Amino acid sequence: EVQLQQSGPELQRPGASVKLSCKASGYTFTEYYMYWVKQRPKQSLELIGRIDPEDGSTDYVEKFKNKATLTADTSSNTAYMQLSSLTSEDTATYFCARSGYGYGLSFAYWGQGTLVTVSS
Amino acid sequence: DIVLTQSPATLSVTPGESVSLSCRASQGISTSIHWYQQKSNESPRLLIKYASQSISGIPSRFSGSGSGTDFTLSINRVESEDFSVYYCQQSYSLPLTFGSGTKLEIK
Repeated sequence: EVQLQQSGPELQRPGASVKLSCKASGYTFTEYYMYWVKQRPKQSLELIGRIDPEDGSTDYVEKFKNKATLTADTSSNTAYMQLSSLTSEDTATYFCARSGYGYGLSFAYWGQGTLVTVSS
Repeated sequence: DIVLTQSPATLSVTPGESVSLSCRASQGISTSIHWYQQKSNESPRLLIKYASQSISGIPSRFSGSGSGTDFTLSINRVESEDFSVYYCQQSYSLPLTFGSGTKLEIK
């Protein structure tokens, strides 16, 4: 069974950085891109970017290029996202997600989400 | 970027009614649209991929249709567990984008 287990909620001060994790199990970690999605309170979903765990290559949506850094550790089957220079606009739930076999670029599997709250 | 416009923003229905939710793309995207359900404080759940392809484990009352710019998610005889928010997502071109959502609420 594919599972994506994300790290717990974070409370951070403005200007700080935070690193979120997404531990994958139930499949070969290097065979699927890992995507990260942002959802602000009562808002829709926004793609942040993706990482290929096999070689560490990344693609970012333009607006997140100076905000998010995606990495992956194949020894622990864990994907990470670091968010820098936090502001109130970064208060959101962040999901990791993966496609299914034969599902193209639809997201069949999701982590449970990590709530990041930025407040002084 | 491709913009997806969902309508209506909120749909109030009585359990047992059948409904159609709309998603319109800002340019033609063939059938590269996917539908998700999101209940409060949960992760999204994939309902339909590539406009009309069913997903294992999803009730048969959910179906999708459309191609080009206009897409529809239909729910045949809405059940109480279906009251939630529905999003469409396109995978025709990067960046992948999502619609603004339709909230299905009890009348």
